[in-house]
Amino acid sequence: QKEVEQNSGPLSVPEGAIASLNCTYSDRVSQSFFWYRQYSGKSPELIMSIYSNGDKEDGRFTAQLNKASQYVSLLIRDSQPSDSATYLCAVNHNTDKLIFGTGTRLQVFP
Amino acid sequence: DAGVIQSPRHEVTEMGQEVTLRCKPISGHDYLFWYRQTMMRGLELLIYFNNNVPIDDSGMPEDRFSAKMPNASFSTLKIQPSEPRDSAVYFCASSSTSGGPTDTQYFGPGTRLTVL
Repeated sequence: QKEVEQNSGPLSVPEGAIASLNCTYSDRVSQSFFWYRQYSGKSPELIMSIYSNGDKEDGRFTAQLNKASQYVSLLIRDSQPSDSATYLCAVNHNTDKLIFGTGTRLQVFP
Repeated sequence: DAGVIQSPRHEVTEMGQEVTLRCKPISGHDYLFWYRQTMMRGLELLIYFNNNVPIDDSGMPEDRFSAKMPNASFSTLKIQPSEPRDSAVYFCASSSTSGGPTDTQYFGPGTRLTVL
């Protein structure tokens, strides 16, 4: 079992819809959770971090964390074609390093 | 700040040759990470440094890989000898502990390595 698992996609949603990206992790002692966005040919950039159970909202983005289910998700409201990218989930196991999932490719079509 | 700087951006070499990748972290950041990204394996951590000291090199695939950080503003990742399976994008990232043990990691533009 991989430490951080994501569906590779592609996830295709129409412009204006809600995109839901999911991530599961294996280590119950994980403390911190991150979503990075990576455009094709570019480097990853952090868009959301979440540390406690529940929802965290930032503009059109909402991160959701359920530690009991070892599940973290990212919702993108009012999806735009510019949101088309690969979204990487990353987990910190109370160390200085992050474990990344392989990413979910999101396609937003007009 | 210019962000994390990596060079070269692209490297094409032949099997058996030595390859050296370079990274300049963001000034003031005390953590530096080297990652490798492939389609099959995703983004993998190779090694990371704290205050120029290697902390965890468990991700380094084999003895052909080595990394150094002689000072706070420079790090190298060397592959000798290189093999076709080393072809990947290599990212350097840096972060600061001012926000806690794992703060935002800022990635460089990456080096796309092709070993023929």
